[in-house]
Amino acid sequence: DAGVIQSPRHEVTEMGQEVTLRCKPISGHNSLFWYRQTMMRGLELLIYFNNNVPIDDSGMPEDRFSAKMPNASFSTLKIQPSEPRDSAVYFCASGGGTQYFGPGTRLLVL
Amino acid sequence: GEDVEQSLFLSVREGDSSVINCTYTDSSSTYLYWYKQEPGAGLQLLTYIFSNMDMKQDQRLTVLLNKKDKHLSLRIADTQTGDSAIYFCAESIPTGGGNKLTFGTGTQLKVEL
Repeated sequence: DAGVIQSPRHEVTEMGQEVTLRCKPISGHNSLFWYRQTMMRGLELLIYFNNNVPIDDSGMPEDRFSAKMPNASFSTLKIQPSEPRDSAVYFCASGGGTQYFGPGTRLLVL
Repeated sequence: GEDVEQSLFLSVREGDSSVINCTYTDSSSTYLYWYKQEPGAGLQLLTYIFSNMDMKQDQRLTVLLNKKDKHLSLRIADTQTGDSAIYFCAESIPTGGGNKLTFGTGTQLKVEL
């Protein structure tokens, strides 16, 4: 298995632009998690899905953030409009218990 | 409540043993995990222990769990320069829709020659 796949690996955008991050979980895993990592706040859970259904989105910072999981093999995290304080590394993880992380997307909002 | 704490830094000499400590607060944790993060990379699962165990050994890694004190440790024997990384402990808490992990702040391990 290729593991959790995330794209893009790096994204540089300007404030106000829409950003879409993508994740393909490991086949057969029924849970998918989106995390954000910054120096100041460490690793934060944003949202997680179980069987494609959002279970807990209490970590989503504000309405500018949204996440979808239209099927078992794909999820997106969208930021619209983006702001400089959204600059971080965004990780997707999948698991049926133990979580396996993707390589992350490094987002820089100018 | 959910709170996982770790010391921020640890420096050891190559060949020595490293011990990274972690405390957690949620007694309903089912599994406890150790992840390793190298610069510019994602979190890599190192090992885990079920909450009803008190020790697990996996090659150079030894995990000790004191459930009474809610204390978890990771011992790395014969530490090498390639072990330099940030180490995160995490507790798994069952929820209505699966398991959720709460991560510690991470301990940066520096291995000196």
